Amino acid sequence: DQQVKQNSPSLSVQEGRISILNCDYTNSMFDYFLWYKKYPAEGPTFLISISSIKDKNEDGRFTVFLNKSAKHLSLHIVPSQPGDSAVYFCAASRVGGGSNYKLTFGKGTLLTVNP
Amino acid sequence: DAGVIQSPRHEVTEMGQEVTLRCKPISGHDYLFWYRQTMMRGLELLIYFNNNVPIDDSGMPEDRFSAKMPNASFSTLKIQPSEPRDSAVYFCASGGEGRDEQFFGPGTRLTVL
Repeated sequence: DQQVKQNSPSLSVQEGRISILNCDYTNSMFDYFLWYKKYPAEGPTFLISISSIKDKNEDGRFTVFLNKSAKHLSLHIVPSQPGDSAVYFCAASRVGGGSNYKLTFGKGTLLTVNP
Repeated sequence: DAGVIQSPRHEVTEMGQEVTLRCKPISGHDYLFWYRQTMMRGLELLIYFNNNVPIDDSGMPEDRFSAKMPNASFSTLKIQPSEPRDSAVYFCASGGEGRDEQFFGPGTRLTVL
């Protein structure tokens, strides 16, 4: 039973264009969402997060949008650069009961940005 | 800061052998996490510690898996006996009080033949 789903295993975009990575979740108790980026042979690194009290969070070229009613979030990268090529993981957690730090991850989307 | 350190980076062993994976968290972090990544299940949390105490081990797949944190600067994940289906990349992560703050090590790629 996957509570966090990334339905696109891969995505290919041209340099300079927008990359949109999608994530759906089923657990309505989740209240905090994160995106991690992973290069080969490295561990995931934190990219950006959003609390359920917001619907948008922006950090430079990266913006995360949250649609709570649809249980959907997306990561927008504008403009995309070849160095953004990596696997992107969506993760979620819920507050309370010691679960703040218990992240549930999606399976990841491989983004390839072509020069 | 050297970040989270994991050893070994690669481990190849035969079915039935004991495997010990090691992790040194970032100094000052109170939380330590062990994750496993497989093609089938993705990245899943196995167990996590707070101040060296195990808080949630519900992700540990079975009794063959055990984890310890004898002090704030060291943790082990042990598999005994190992099986081919344990082949995966095992990540250790550490973090502070903030919900954003999980820093991952480079992982240990385990292959059980």
